[in-house]
Amino acid sequence: AQSVTQLGSHVSVSEGALVLLRCNYSSSVPPYLFWYVQYPNQGLQLLLKYTTGATLVKGINGFEAEFKKSETSFHLTKPSAHMSDAAEYFCAVGTGNQFYFGTGTSLTVIP
Amino acid sequence: DADVTQTPRNRITKTGKRIMLECSQTKGHDRMYWYRQDPGLGLRLIYYSFDVKDINKGEISDGYSVSRQAQAKFSLSLESAIPNQTALYFCATRGTGVLNTEAFFGQGTRLTVV
Repeated sequence: AQSVTQLGSHVSVSEGALVLLRCNYSSSVPPYLFWYVQYPNQGLQLLLKYTTGATLVKGINGFEAEFKKSETSFHLTKPSAHMSDAAEYFCAVGTGNQFYFGTGTSLTVIP
Repeated sequence: DADVTQTPRNRITKTGKRIMLECSQTKGHDRMYWYRQDPGLGLRLIYYSFDVKDINKGEISDGYSVSRQAQAKFSLSLESAIPNQTALYFCATRGTGVLNTEAFFGQGTRLTVV
């Protein structure tokens, strides 16, 4: 069975500061890995994904994530937080049939 | 128009009532999913379907049923709604093949059972 752990249900950063959202997974097979963002009253939007190849993946809005197989991690980063980044972020693992989601991290950006 | 459309967007219903949430998609995807989202619990899978004749239970299917009326339509029913089914419900689709690994989500249906 797959599981996804997001450390920190709430993260606060100052505007312009580094954003780091942590995600660890357990998977018995090489997984597909995803980060989704959810703005209030909206569905989930794909930020970025890792399938194969380069382990550092870049997504929309300046976000990127690095797949580290040895650490079973897929942490999300952004060098400089913007007020518009305030949202809920979900890490997910995809297998052939299903997706498994973490419990989410709510990001607050302080002016 | 949205690729994945859920109706209604909001619904308040009484305990014991039957309610149907509908999902339609224009992406041409075979795979469709229903999730519920609860604060602090993330998204949990209720049912999924890989084609019209294929229906599979997810981790929390009790109290729910689904119908795949066509490739583009996947409905979720609560046969007798109870208050702990109050949640945000999402429909999602996914294509097939290594180039189609991610899920695409609808805007969600906020259901309140009173």
